[in-house]
Amino acid sequence: NAGVTQTPKFQVLKTGQSMTLQCAQDMNHNSMYWYRQDPGMGLRLIYYSASEGTTDKGEVPNGYNVSRLNKREFSLRLESAAPSQTSVYFCASSPDGGDTEAFFGQGTRLTVV
Amino acid sequence: RKEVEQDPGPFNVPEGATVAFNCTYSNSASQSFFWYRQDCRKEPKLLMSVYSSGNEDGRFTAQLNRASQYISLLIRDSKLSDSATYLCVVKAGGGYNKLIFGAGTRLAVHP
Repeated sequence: NAGVTQTPKFQVLKTGQSMTLQCAQDMNHNSMYWYRQDPGMGLRLIYYSASEGTTDKGEVPNGYNVSRLNKREFSLRLESAAPSQTSVYFCASSPDGGDTEAFFGQGTRLTVV
Repeated sequence: RKEVEQDPGPFNVPEGATVAFNCTYSNSASQSFFWYRQDCRKEPKLLMSVYSSGNEDGRFTAQLNRASQYISLLIRDSKLSDSATYLCVVKAGGGYNKLIFGAGTRLAVHP
């Protein structure tokens, strides 16, 4: 049971570089999420996707773009990385319905120097 | 104001103690509520859902007060293994599944 798989697990970027964080889930969930977690800040929602082809901004979308091309995959792109984007990024998915559990990937630790 | 607010702690308690965490949420349309647990540098995992009637899972009891927009988690007979960060999570209703996390409350249980 793979669940939610994120790649890469670790990444160091130079300021101005671009990269895409990949996320895939094999649980047939409609909803997928990207969060970032900084010390003392908890998880802050970057983008949310309710279904294939739809995306919605969360609390901190600036500097990021997302793509939900199919039900399984939800990618997060940093077009021009900045040191303020140094963080741990978590992808998650959940089924529809109120009382449903969200499942998380193991996280990507990104450092922008 | 944040949508979900928690006391960040840390709560330092001895083994066997009872400890309670509180959480408030601002969106009165929120329909589902959860407590997640996060160990250091790991992904969050569901601890328990929170129901209007209150619910219990072993040593853990969760309560919801919709009128006050308040959620609580009670841990009885604390174990060393309970040391973690506890995240309060709220989901908006109406088919809108966006999950909003509180900043988390850190618990440290010592011998």
